[in-house]
Amino acid sequence: QSALTQPASVSGSPGQSITISCTGTSSDIGAYNYVSWYLQHPGKAPKLLIYDVANRPSGISNRFSGSKSGNTASLTISGLQAEDEADYYCGSFTSSGTWVFGGGTKLTVL
Amino acid sequence: EVQVVQSGGGLVQPGGSLRLSCVASGFTFTNYAMSWVRQAPGRGLEWVSGVPAGGDYTYYADSVKGRFTISTDNSKNTLYLQMHSLRVDDTAVYYCAKDIISGRLVAGSCDYWGQGTLVTVSS
Repeated sequence: QSALTQPASVSGSPGQSITISCTGTSSDIGAYNYVSWYLQHPGKAPKLLIYDVANRPSGISNRFSGSKSGNTASLTISGLQAEDEADYYCGSFTSSGTWVFGGGTKLTVL
Repeated sequence: EVQVVQSGGGLVQPGGSLRLSCVASGFTFTNYAMSWVRQAPGRGLEWVSGVPAGGDYTYYADSVKGRFTISTDNSKNTLYLQMHSLRVDDTAVYYCAKDIISGRLVAGSCDYWGQGTLVTVSS
């Protein structure tokens, strides 16, 4: 159950687009379309942004989009806003019947 | 309104035990998978354990297998996490969470989370 691999940090200016990658294996991301993305502000519970690779829960802005290719999933945030500054986590279902998260990516809005 | 309210937690010595509870309301509890997720201070999220919709099976991360037990009381819409043989590296904020889609095996796409409860393992 090794954690998925995410970049430790990414940054972008307001209005720009950024993409966060999440790399797993053929036993998790590569095997299932059960990939989720979360946003977490300090001291708060995680907030679901994307589920099942590319689906947005009700109320989530269409500035957030998800995709997957092979063993790597990606989260794209377009029209970057100051409020998007937070930690982002990916997660995936695994062949062991468990769930695994990535190590997290800190997004800085310059 | 969906609510997930946690209780339990606190300070415990290494080797000790603790039970966390999570009371759910506003949805049909048995229709949704539930999970426990933890976050050590300054660290990332770690999935700990889960039950599928209906709660017939249990799943655990390798790091807690054999020490933690997840269970449900469907009559009380309550999820539990019984923790034994606690170690210093179990220190974390523990969250319970509900999956967004009914009927799933593992709650990993969680749309509602508890408020989190701090478990501190220290002598």
